[in-house]
Amino acid sequence: RKEVEQDPGPFNVPEGATVAFNCTYSNSASQSFFWYRQDCRKEPKLLMSVYSSGNEDGRFTAQLNRASQYISLLIRDSKLSDSATYLCVVSPYNQGGKLIFGQGTELSVKP
Amino acid sequence: ETGVTQTPRHLVMGMTNKKSLKCEQHLGHNAMYWYKQSAKKPLELMFVYSLEERVENNSVPSRFSPECPNSSHLFLHLHTLQPEDSALYLCASSQEDMRGYTGELFFGEGSRLTVL
Repeated sequence: RKEVEQDPGPFNVPEGATVAFNCTYSNSASQSFFWYRQDCRKEPKLLMSVYSSGNEDGRFTAQLNRASQYISLLIRDSKLSDSATYLCVVSPYNQGGKLIFGQGTELSVKP
Repeated sequence: ETGVTQTPRHLVMGMTNKKSLKCEQHLGHNAMYWYKQSAKKPLELMFVYSLEERVENNSVPSRFSPECPNSSHLFLHLHTLQPEDSALYLCASSQEDMRGYTGELFFGEGSRLTVL
């Protein structure tokens, strides 16, 4: 089983749509959770951390379910500029803070 | 100026060549990393340096040799690579806390390597 697994994608959605990405992780000792964004031919950049209580940043909402070992990212009112690959990232407690990346889910927002 | 700079951005080399990738971070961080990104695969952590000491080597073949002369500079020396080593090599830095836990990773733009 992969340590971090994401929806394979790609997701093709119209502008204004709501899109949800799912991610599961295998190590129950995981401590920290993040979503990174990677634009085409660019480096990954932190989009947001994911907290146990869930957190929101504008149009972006992240949720964590520790019991199910599941993380989600919801994007509301999607914009053309949201087109990118979204990477789920997990830091296992028992691996000294090492970050484990999922393979990413590609999003393409069309006019 | 970006916080993490990598050179060269593109590199084509033969299997018998020796080349090096360079990374420099201007963020005052205490940890630096090399990741490999191949098409349709997750980022693979190769090496971690914390306070200039290598703390992780993820079973990377010896044809990849890292060097961290100080906390701001990181090199990846390449020797007798194989075509399957063609990938995007990303350098990153972060500020680790006392327990060694990683803050946000800041990536360079990457060095795209093609091995012929």
